[in-house]
Amino acid sequence: NAGVMQNPRHLVRRRGQEARLRCSPMKGHSHVYWYRQLPEEGLKFMVYLQKENIIDESGMPKERFSAEFPKEGPSILRIQQVVRGDSAAYFCASSLDRGVNTEAFFGQGTRLTVV
Amino acid sequence: AQKITQTQPGMFVQEKEAVTLDCTYDTSDQSYGLFWYKQPSSGEMIFLIYQGSYDEQNATEGRYSLNFQKARKSANLVISASQLGDSAMYFCAMRPTSGTYKYIFGTGTRLKVLA
Repeated sequence: NAGVMQNPRHLVRRRGQEARLRCSPMKGHSHVYWYRQLPEEGLKFMVYLQKENIIDESGMPKERFSAEFPKEGPSILRIQQVVRGDSAAYFCASSLDRGVNTEAFFGQGTRLTVV
Repeated sequence: AQKITQTQPGMFVQEKEAVTLDCTYDTSDQSYGLFWYKQPSSGEMIFLIYQGSYDEQNATEGRYSLNFQKARKSANLVISASQLGDSAMYFCAMRPTSGTYKYIFGTGTRLKVLA
């Protein structure tokens, strides 16, 4: 049973370009979460999705950032017109359900560098 | 407000000794889950241990145990017999039942095990 798969592992974009980060959750998991981690900092919640629905996007910047989790295919975090401040590690996690005793499984992360 | 606080940015421990990593949380929920994750230098997030708010006994997983004090709202991680491979960043997280059930993370504690 494959774990959470994120790709690419490393992504370099020039300022103004678009970044697309992909996340395939664990098999059977329909809940996906995106977090951002700056160097030497904790995980900042960005968005929580459940198949085709955005449950909570309270941590997502209002502009340039969007996320989706279509019925078929991976979840996508999209950053338009990237700026240097977007450079960070972006982690995706998935869980089986909304139970409080359900752990989240994390992908390896995508390290975005904006040059 | 739902919040996790980790007040120790960095800790040192001698190999084979025990170490306690502090975590306090803030929630008005009666039901919630508490989790600890390990992030080694390679960057992945590894689930370590879970404690439910209604669990009467402290959780244990091998060398990891969780010192859960509900009245104090603390969920400290105890690592016994530290090994060099325990050197990593450790994150405490909470999944409340109010709101959208998203996982909330602390800022982490960097543990260094000394030979």
